[in-house]
Amino acid sequence: DTAVSQTPKYLVTQMGNDKSIKCEQNLGHDTMYWYKQDSKKFLKIMFSYNNKELIINETVPNRFSPKSPDKAHLNLHINSLELGDSAVYFCASSPSRNSYGYTFGSGTRLTVV
Amino acid sequence: AQSVTQLDSQVPVFEEAPVELRCNYSSSVSVYLFWYVQYPNQGLQLLLKYLSGSTLVKGINGFEAEFNKSQTSFHLRKPSVHISDTAEYFCAVPQGGSEKLVFGKGTKLTVNP
Repeated sequence: DTAVSQTPKYLVTQMGNDKSIKCEQNLGHDTMYWYKQDSKKFLKIMFSYNNKELIINETVPNRFSPKSPDKAHLNLHINSLELGDSAVYFCASSPSRNSYGYTFGSGTRLTVV
Repeated sequence: AQSVTQLDSQVPVFEEAPVELRCNYSSSVSVYLFWYVQYPNQGLQLLLKYLSGSTLVKGINGFEAEFNKSQTSFHLRKPSVHISDTAEYFCAVPQGGSEKLVFGKGTKLTVNP
């Protein structure tokens, strides 16, 4: 069983489309995150949820909307995709808010053409 | 805000040679420090962490790191590397006053035969 699973693994889409990335963790963790990794491998946090409550919302365009239906799931919906959104998006989870031993998913490579 | 600087973007070494990947952090107040590894086309995996106590921290896969408060460093070392250690290595620190983990820009370790 994969601890943190993301789907899809690859996503190729045209500019202007709307897409979603799903994330599920089976570790019983309370906190989940979305990170964006650019082409230079730089990792930047986008959002964090603790027990379905949004606790971190970085300076991210409002075209990005996270949703956490329960503490095991954190999905990312992106509207009106732009070329600059192309990146690898990682979901991660941790036992609690101040526990930094994250478990990462394997990533979703988004390519906007 | 606390941050980390990884001084080398690329480190090529030969198999069975020792390696040191350098990381300096920005604050002298109490810090937690982490090293993560990202193998090609995978998510990040926790290698080791320093929270408190002994300044020499041992991690997985034979890696260790030493917390040095006077030099504000947390360098990662391995006495003898394998081809399979080829990966991107990230140093990370929680950003002071917030709950987010901030990553360095990464060091690409390439182990050559």
